Amino acid sequence: GAVVSQHPSRVICKSGTSVKIECRSLDFQATTMFWYRQFPKKSLMLMATSNEGSKATYEQGVEKDKFLINHASLTLSTLTVTSAHPEDSSFYICSALHRDRINEKLFFGSGTQLSVL
Amino acid sequence: GDSVTQMEGPVTLSEEAFLTINCTYTATGYPSLFWYVQYPGEGLQLLLKATKADDKGSNKGFEATYRKETTSFHLEKGSVQVSDSAVYFCALSGAAGNKLTFGGGTRVLVKP
Repeated sequence: GAVVSQHPSRVICKSGTSVKIECRSLDFQATTMFWYRQFPKKSLMLMATSNEGSKATYEQGVEKDKFLINHASLTLSTLTVTSAHPEDSSFYICSALHRDRINEKLFFGSGTQLSVL
Repeated sequence: GDSVTQMEGPVTLSEEAFLTINCTYTATGYPSLFWYVQYPGEGLQLLLKATKADDKGSNKGFEATYRKETTSFHLEKGSVQVSDSAVYFCALSGAAGNKLTFGGGTRVLVKP
């Protein structure tokens, strides 16, 4: 079946540094990918929709300049947390939309645990 | 806006026990409803779904029925196995198409 690879699975960084998270669709092309964030014991919250070749669409309350999304190819979307602070510590998950002639299906990465010291 | 509420875990069961995870939702219109499962170290996987009222989704012994009158989509399995230990997420997609709204997840631990 379709596979989505997310890397890194865990990252620890100092406050003020930037962190890049990659999301790759390994065996299909994905024009649309989604980025979610999960706080402890809370729901996954949709942050943004990443569209290949165009600007990402951010959900209300998500800072565009803080969470930079680049979807430069049909198999790769990146999320960069710029000037990270402890409140950015969270679990980030991506998903890629697989479309064929019959239906659409979402495939998820295994997530990235970000800890900002 | 849309929202999904599911029971908090962890839920600890013995093998062959009956599992129920409650899920209720709030949405405008007629959403599609999903259960996703996340096994340790893996990404979320679609477990089952239902797209209209009274539909029953089923997979791997799990079932959930779309109940519009109670706005619920409870997940059930009659006899769990240790391999069912995972985090289960209830979700819906509403008018926005493929955008999913998730519940908080329920961790299930099945002991031999």
